[in-house]
Amino acid sequence: GQNIDQPTEMTATEGAIVQINCTYQTSGFNGLFWYQQHAGEAPTFLSYNVLDGLEEKGRFSSFLSRSKGYSYLLLKELQMKDSASYLCAVTGYGQNFVFGPGTRLSVLP
Amino acid sequence: NAGVTQTPKFQVLKTGQSMTLQCAQDMNHEYMSWYRQDPGMGLRLIHYSVGAGITDQGEVPNGYNVSRSTTEDFPLRLLSAAPSQTSVYFCASSYSGQGAYEQYFGPGTRLTVT
Repeated sequence: GQNIDQPTEMTATEGAIVQINCTYQTSGFNGLFWYQQHAGEAPTFLSYNVLDGLEEKGRFSSFLSRSKGYSYLLLKELQMKDSASYLCAVTGYGQNFVFGPGTRLSVLP
Repeated sequence: NAGVTQTPKFQVLKTGQSMTLQCAQDMNHEYMSWYRQDPGMGLRLIHYSVGAGITDQGEVPNGYNVSRSTTEDFPLRLLSAAPSQTSVYFCASSYSGQGAYEQYFGPGTRLTVT
């Protein structure tokens, strides 16, 4: 079977750093994706990891450890507009995504 | 490029009615998929297609049909709507091949079944 776990909700302060964790158990592994979804909108792509290590993209970084079935998304210099849900998704064989339940992040002033 | 488009944006159905949710993409993507999103459950795959004429079931296919007669279009049909199908439906598309590719999502259809 396939299982992906994320914290349900997180709260952080504007200007701070927050780390959103994702653990997964899947049959096969072809890559891990992070998406951002604002309330009432479609998910939008943030990052992709297929090899172990850190991928950095501006204020956002994503880390992957395949042996531990673990990833995190790191958001630096938080802004109010970062208040959204963050979705972790894993591809096993082929192109099908399996999504986690999402983490709702609230950024407070 | 319009990307991935979906119609309608909102729909209210009565139990037992049927309807088709439309999805189209103009990026020449081989792979297309339909998800439903319910509170606390994340996005769940309903059906997917890896090219024209090829479709397959995802995690939650019951009550839904799909077809893929062209690369661009991937409609989702609800055969006999039930209240359990009240959800937000997203269509997505991506390249297909060795490796994994980001999926591009449409704006969603918010469906209520009474």
